[in-house]
Amino acid sequence: ILNVEQSPQSLHVQEGDSTNFTCSFPSSNFYALHWYRWETAKSPEALFVMTLNGDEKKKGRISATLNTKEGYSYLYIKGSQPEDSATYLCASSGNTGKLIFGQGTTLQVKP
Amino acid sequence: DAGVIQSPRHEVTEMGQEVTLRCKPISGHNSLFWYRQTMMRGLELLIYFNNNVPIDDSGMPEDRFSAKMPNASFSTLKIQPSEPRDSAVYFCASSLVGSYVYEQYFGPGTRLTVT
Repeated sequence: ILNVEQSPQSLHVQEGDSTNFTCSFPSSNFYALHWYRWETAKSPEALFVMTLNGDEKKKGRISATLNTKEGYSYLYIKGSQPEDSATYLCASSGNTGKLIFGQGTTLQVKP
Repeated sequence: DAGVIQSPRHEVTEMGQEVTLRCKPISGHNSLFWYRQTMMRGLELLIYFNNNVPIDDSGMPEDRFSAKMPNASFSTLKIQPSEPRDSAVYFCASSLVGSYVYEQYFGPGTRLTVT
């Protein structure tokens, strides 16, 4: 994998459903994996930064895991709410601080 | 802290005009990033600075784009002359590279429309 890839590109779920997205990234020269939440007409907001293989982070109903050996991260949302509707971006970085972003997964939660 | 500050928030200009976008990073951050968001290409990095020095400008589309960071609290992105295809949202972000966790904090963006 040469680039950061996210799947699915978009997702529509019902309120209360749990969901998850995938981020694949190059495992060579890996330093950190970032997840951002980006609401329409706003700016991206940092959710998590993970660096160690096996890392798990949680913020409310949202959690993320990291596998640096195989180059993937999962973002989970438990019991989706309409306010979770946003684009979720992941980004991989080396130790220079430069982030390489994926194209994002756009989540729409229907009430 | 007020966060990353960008101005103007919206800019409408005619093709051929010079456009200057401004950014004030979070105080104490040592790295600053300029991004462009378009429907076709998503969020793409244009250039970033570390300690006011440009480190990687490989994302700058062409010579019409230039960026400066004269001091730690101010950066500009200039487009001269502007073209309709430059219409996009331009984000500035800052971070503290060198710390263990260096999240990037984004400004509100400048929506540029070139007619």
